[in-house]
Amino acid sequence: GQQVMQIPQYQHVQEGEDFTTYCNSSTTLSNIQWYKQRPGGHPVFLIQLVKSGEVKKQKRLTFQFGEAKKNSSLHITATQTTDVGTYFCAGYGWSGGSNYKLTFGKGTLLTVNP
Amino acid sequence: ETGVTQTPRHLVMGMTNKKSLKCEQHLGHNAMYWYKQSAKKPLELMFVYNFKEQTENNSVPSRFSPECPNSSHLFLHLHTLQPEDSALYLCASSQALVSDRSTDTQYFGPGTRLTVL
Repeated sequence: GQQVMQIPQYQHVQEGEDFTTYCNSSTTLSNIQWYKQRPGGHPVFLIQLVKSGEVKKQKRLTFQFGEAKKNSSLHITATQTTDVGTYFCAGYGWSGGSNYKLTFGKGTLLTVNP
Repeated sequence: ETGVTQTPRHLVMGMTNKKSLKCEQHLGHNAMYWYKQSAKKPLELMFVYNFKEQTENNSVPSRFSPECPNSSHLFLHLHTLQPEDSALYLCASSQALVSDRSTDTQYFGPGTRLTVL
């Protein structure tokens, strides 16, 4: 079945440093989504990428979707303490028969030292 | 955000108790999900309902019993749970799982923090 791997599992940075998390799928995806979960909160949708090679930006966050639509990355420039949380990628793709499903990666926990 | 609500927010129960978790979505979605989130396994999909029909059961023990009476409501009935079932139980909803043209962006509720004694 479809598997989504995400690395690293944890990342600790000094405030102002950059941060990147990577996501790889075992199968080609229709789209990839990114979610953020603050400590004590629930996952919140950030963005969706659909096209091969797509790049989207949200302020200091840059999201990329690979050419083969099997991998993605989230890059944060000059991290701030408000960026703390777990970042999940989720790949939407065919799971067999007529079924499609969204599969979450295990997430990357980002902590920022002020 | 009030699109997806869950009650109760916190629940403490003994291993012999029976309780139910409730989820309600006000987004007009047709797919609903139960996830378990614990420290050891960050986000585990438990059940999926698409247009009130269960389409996925990820080998969940029978002590967890889902119910979806309509597209807006989802329940998780709990009985004879174990301490290792203590976790955050998240409900989510999305438009519907229909094809590769769907986006299936999921909207999560705040979760129920469950402690089994």
